[in-house]
Amino acid sequence: AQTVTQSQPEMSVQEAETVTLSCTYDTSENNYYLFWYKQPPSRQMILVIRQEAYKQQNATENRFSVNFQKAAKSFSLKISDSQLGDTAMYFCAFMKHAPSKGAQKLVFGQGTRLTINP
Amino acid sequence: DAGITQSPRHKVTETGTPVTLRCHQTENHRYMYWYRQDPGHGLRLIHYSYGVKDTDKGEVSDGYSVSRSKTEDFLLTLESATSSQTSVYFCAISGGRNMGSYNSPLHFGNGTRLTVT
Repeated sequence: AQTVTQSQPEMSVQEAETVTLSCTYDTSENNYYLFWYKQPPSRQMILVIRQEAYKQQNATENRFSVNFQKAAKSFSLKISDSQLGDTAMYFCAFMKHAPSKGAQKLVFGQGTRLTINP
Repeated sequence: DAGITQSPRHKVTETGTPVTLRCHQTENHRYMYWYRQDPGHGLRLIHYSYGVKDTDKGEVSDGYSVSRSKTEDFLLTLESATSSQTSVYFCAISGGRNMGSYNSPLHFGNGTRLTVT
C-alpha cells in the first residue's frame, strides 16, 4: 500500500517570501502521479500542481513549482513571492497509474497548514 | 468548481440515527468518490463508484454504505451514526468524456461537515 507523509504540520512565513513544503511517499509502483492540493478556509479543495512520475522535468505553475526526486521518493512544493491568499492547508497526494477503466484513487498526506503573514 | 454539489453543507445528528449525504454532479463523469477529512489524517477514501450500480470499498469503509442509481448522484449512508464518524465528508469526481486521459486529477465538492453528538 502507498503512504504519503507530510512532516511539517504548520508553517508560517512573511508575505513575499519563498516557502517550501515537504512531502515524501512510499510506493513500489513505477508509474504514478503526484499532486498538491490547496484547501483555503472556505474548505474547497483546489488542485495546485501535478507531476507525472515518468517526466524528469519538474512541474511549474506560475509561482508554484515542485522538486520531484523519484529515487528519494520526495515531492516538495515551492511557493515563490508568497501572497496572503496562499494561506491554506496544503495536501500532498499520490495516485498510481490506473488502467483504462480504473478509478483514480488518491492517497493523501496529513496536510501542512501554511500561514502567510503581512 | 467542476459542477459538483454536496448536500447538506452542515448536519448535526444524534448517535444511532441514520444519515444520508448526497453528491450530485452535472459533468457526466464516470467515477465518483467519497472521502472523509480528519485532523492528522488528511483525506481518506471511504467508497468509490466506477459506474451506475458499480461501487467498491476504500480504506475506511466500515460503517458506511453507498449507492449510485444514476450517473449524476452518489449517496453516502451512515446506517447508525457514531461519534467517530464526526468529520468533513468530500465527494469527488473524475474521468470525464472530454478528458484525454483516465489518469486525470480529481475534482472535489465543497464538503459536508457532519457532527454526531
